[in-house]
Formats: sequence, C-alpha cells, structure tokens
Amino acid sequence: ETGVTQTPRHLVMGMTNKKSLKCEQHLGHNAMYWYKQSAKKPLELMFVYNFKEQTENNSVPSRFSPECPNSSHLFLHLHTLQPEDSALYLCASSQEARTFYNEQFFGPGTRLTVL
Amino acid sequence: GENVEQHPSTLSVQEGDSAVIKCTYSDSASNYFPWYKQELGKGPQLIIDIRSNVGEKKDQRIAVTLNKTAKHFSLHITETQPEDSAVYFCAASISNTGNQFYFGTGTSLTVIP
Repeated sequence: ETGVTQTPRHLVMGMTNKKSLKCEQHLGHNAMYWYKQSAKKPLELMFVYNFKEQTENNSVPSRFSPECPNSSHLFLHLHTLQPEDSALYLCASSQEARTFYNEQFFGPGTRLTVL
Repeated sequence: GENVEQHPSTLSVQEGDSAVIKCTYSDSASNYFPWYKQELGKGPQLIIDIRSNVGEKKDQRIAVTLNKTAKHFSLHITETQPEDSAVYFCAASISNTGNQFYFGTGTSLTVIP
C-alpha cells in the first residue's frame, strides 16, 4: 500500500449505530487530518493531530470522536449521527501540522450515508 | 477567519482551449495558496502551489498567478485535454494557523473532446 488509504470506502448506517472510519498513511508523516466534504460546500477541517496529539478541533459535535494511536493511523468513531452528517469524509497527512507550506496528501475518502 | 471564494462553479471548454479558475481570499495574512484536483472517486491531489513572495508559477500546461494587493489568485490550464476533467479546489493558508487550509467550493471542469 502506498500513500493514504481509507476504509471502508462506503458506509451506510442508522442514526443509532456506532461505526468507525479508519485511515492509514504510508508516507512517514507526523500530522493527520479529518475533513468533511459536502456537496456545494468547501472542505471543512474537523480535526488535526500532530505527533499523535490533537491540535485542532473545529467545533465538531461530540458524536464524532477521533483517535490517533500512532502517527500512521487515524480513526473517526461515529455514534448517534444525524442524516445531515452524510458526506464524504477525507483523511489527509502531511510532514508536520505546524510547519508552513506543508503539502497535504489526501486519501480517497469514505462515503457515509446516515439513514 | 479566512474566507475563500471560487468561481466559476462549473466550466466547460473544448479540448485544446484554455481554462481559467479564479479565487479570492479575505485575510491579507494568507501566504500559501495550493490548488488541488479531485477526480471522481478519489481524494484531492495537489497540482500546483504558490507562495506570497511569488507572483506567478508555471508547471508545463498549468500556471498559477497571485495578486496580493487585490487578494486574488487564479489557475490557468492551457491546451486542455479530456483527462483534465475533474473538480478543482483552491485553498489559502494563514501563517499563524500553521497548516490549516481554507478551501474554496470547487470548480467542476469538463473538457469536451
């Protein structure tokens, strides 16, 4: 595997379910990000981890819970979601989060549908 | 905070013609401007970027221009090809927020063979 991988690629869940999204980067980077991509809206940054420490939480509802056990893996735990949470969830990584001009490498995303 | 606006939202061009996508930003502290291309079923990929100390940058058929005074930057694609069809996003990064990117809403480019 190369680059940034995400699983699953598609997920359908009910509002009472609990599920997790997984992201893995094979680039030796130290920063990882979760973004939400909705139709006709800009990519929304959700969380940033730098050297496994969370450095940004952009007012994300508590029904989204991130976890970063090491610099290569990032999870997004989901519970009691709402239909408006349906979107493409993108994971990205970069060399470091607080270093300027860092290119972010994106995974293919998980298409989430909440029924 | 930073606000990035992107136009047009959709763009169709004939193969071989040029395509131009424009973005404006609000915070004069922004000094890094990447452009991403997103193909169907894939995540965004960086295609070119520009820093605020440069007015123009070119990479083969792709070029980006930056006007710091007017706070706008543009992506230019020349000699377009069908494989250029994708959604393009501009972004701006504010120096005091490190690597936080503020994205535009995207431009869906279709190159007609």
